[in-house]
Amino acid sequence: GAGVSQTPSNKVTEKGKYVELRCDPISGHTALYWYRQSLGQGPEFLIYFQGTGAADDSGLPNDRFFAVRPEGSVSTLKIQRTERGDSAVYLCASSLQMNTEAFFGQGTRLTVV
Amino acid sequence: TQLLEQSPQFLSIQEGENLTVYCNSSSVFSSLQWYRQEPGEGPVLLVTVVTGGEVKKLKRLTFQFGDARKDSSLHITAAQPGDTGLYLCAFRRGNNDMRFGAGTRLTVKP
Repeated sequence: GAGVSQTPSNKVTEKGKYVELRCDPISGHTALYWYRQSLGQGPEFLIYFQGTGAADDSGLPNDRFFAVRPEGSVSTLKIQRTERGDSAVYLCASSLQMNTEAFFGQGTRLTVV
Repeated sequence: TQLLEQSPQFLSIQEGENLTVYCNSSSVFSSLQWYRQEPGEGPVLLVTVVTGGEVKKLKRLTFQFGDARKDSSLHITAAQPGDTGLYLCAFRRGNNDMRFGAGTRLTVKP
């Protein structure tokens, strides 16, 4: 596709369950970012990949959150033992390289009940 | 601690009015970016300002970067309902990730 694709678009899960959120970046983009956005707030940085490696994971709130990008393309954000406070829109963005324009996907709306 | 403070948080105006929203910080930035986000969508880049005192225009939108590169403003002339959305400012930390302010939620009523 032409843009950043995130799946699923919506996810409802029960408290305590495990979820995976997928991001397909624009082809050829080496940088990939994950953000979390709560209602009425700006995006909150979670983690940034340059290629396959996490260049900065300082925004991950705790060890229940983990992200991978094994082949330097698709990335998966994994949340263990979900809590109601994890409910938010999770946004993914990619850019051709560091410090170039980033393009965002439409996000995955996660609801933990 | 929010490095970027955006004001106002909410703004509701009538079609045709002018408005200005602000992005302020105590830090100096090499550049600032403005994004617009519509409901159910990701943010879309509007402009990047780099030089202190720089003014950039995008149709009815005028962006200014403060002389000291600590603040920026976005002015919209003759607002239209299509301008409705969340306006976000952001900075890049070196060659790394972007950090966002909380945004100004603008509603333009027809």
